[in-house]
Amino acid sequence: DQQVKQNSPSLSVQEGRISILNCDYTNSMFDYFLWYKKYPAEGPTFLISISSIKDKNEDGRFTVFLNKSAKHLSLHIVPSQPGDSAVYFCAASSNSGYELNFGKGTSLLVTP
Amino acid sequence: KAGVTQTPRYLIKTRGQQVTLSCSPISGHRSVSWYQQTPGQGLQFLFEYFSETQRNKGNFPGRFSGRQFSNSRSEMNVSTLELGDSALYLCASSPGAGRPYEQYFGPGTRLTVT
Repeated sequence: DQQVKQNSPSLSVQEGRISILNCDYTNSMFDYFLWYKKYPAEGPTFLISISSIKDKNEDGRFTVFLNKSAKHLSLHIVPSQPGDSAVYFCAASSNSGYELNFGKGTSLLVTP
Repeated sequence: KAGVTQTPRYLIKTRGQQVTLSCSPISGHRSVSWYQQTPGQGLQFLFEYFSETQRNKGNFPGRFSGRQFSNSRSEMNVSTLELGDSALYLCASSPGAGRPYEQYFGPGTRLTVT
């Protein structure tokens, strides 16, 4: 049963515009959320995280928003750059476990 | 600091054989987790070790096992390989003490079962 869902398998955005990647979760016990970026032939790279006590966290061009009531989070990349083209994974964890529960990923393509 | 290293990077095995994959975490990290990535299922948690103890296990059959050594290096073993075990196996490390924590991934071992 997929507890973290990324319903858009792919997204194409023009360079300089905003990229918005979405993620939904079903487990109300999740209290920590992370975004990872993955290039082919490499392992996922940690991007940004957010605790459930916050609704927004920024790090440079990356901002993550959390809506707990809707069990929804999103990653905003502004401005998007061609080097951002990769697969983005949303992940969540709960206080009762030590694993990360991943979505299936969204492939982002930023075109010049 | 050096990142997470995994060996071998690529492996081809035959059905019924067994395989051992190795992971060296980031220096100072005491937690090691293993994940299986397949096109259909995405990234799925296998197990996590901290100070040589398995703290959590995912929903995989007993053919999948692991261990952690006193230097935090970890191995995972898959016995009686099946075609469906073909996947990218990723190892991740983290400090492991307290929450929240982020996990840092290695490049993975690509296992192909024929």
